[in-house]
Amino acid sequence: EAGVAQSPRYKIIEKRQSVAFWCNPISGHATLYWYQQILGQGPKLLIQFQNNGVVDDSQLPKDRFSAERLKGVDSTLKIQPAKLEDSAVYLCASSLGPPRGRAIHEQFFGPGTRLTVL
Amino acid sequence: AQTVTQSQPEMSVQEAETVTLSCTYDTSESDYYLFWYKQPPSRQMILVIRQEAYKQQNATENRFSVNFQKAAKSFSLKISDSQLGDAAMYFCAYRSLDSNYQLIWGAGTKLIIKP
Repeated sequence: EAGVAQSPRYKIIEKRQSVAFWCNPISGHATLYWYQQILGQGPKLLIQFQNNGVVDDSQLPKDRFSAERLKGVDSTLKIQPAKLEDSAVYLCASSLGPPRGRAIHEQFFGPGTRLTVL
Repeated sequence: AQTVTQSQPEMSVQEAETVTLSCTYDTSESDYYLFWYKQPPSRQMILVIRQEAYKQQNATENRFSVNFQKAAKSFSLKISDSQLGDAAMYFCAYRSLDSNYQLIWGAGTKLIIKP
């Protein structure tokens, strides 16, 4: 079974530039997550999709970050314009379904994209 | 709000020895899940082990086991017979069974294996 795919693996940009990340979840996984992981910290959830609808985007800085999941499969996360503090690893994860009660629905993570903003 | 604390930024252990990573959490809930994730230099987060709070028995997965102390709100990970491939960041995470299903993450512990 293929895992969660992400690209690019690395990206270096100047501040105020734009950047986009792509994620392809495991086939059949309805729920997709984007996390931001700053060096020395645990991941922070940016946005959660259920199929092509947004479940939670409460921690997404909507003035500069946007995300979409057209057709309920692939997803892109965009930053425009980037700031120095956006330097981080951006992780994509997917699960069969959303966590509900005792249903674990383990999250499977991709390799992440390391973004450096200069 | 729930919080997860990992007080050891870095730990080291001799290959083949046993090491314990600490995690404490704060919650007012009685039922929840706890997880340990491993993140090697490749950055891919991998689930190591999970514990359901209502179960008294500590979870075990091969060389990995937990010591779950519910009253003390402690959830430590023990790695036996440490191997070079165990070198990674280890993150403790909490998940509620109520309205907020997000994973709450600790800051991580870097585990170094000495050959």
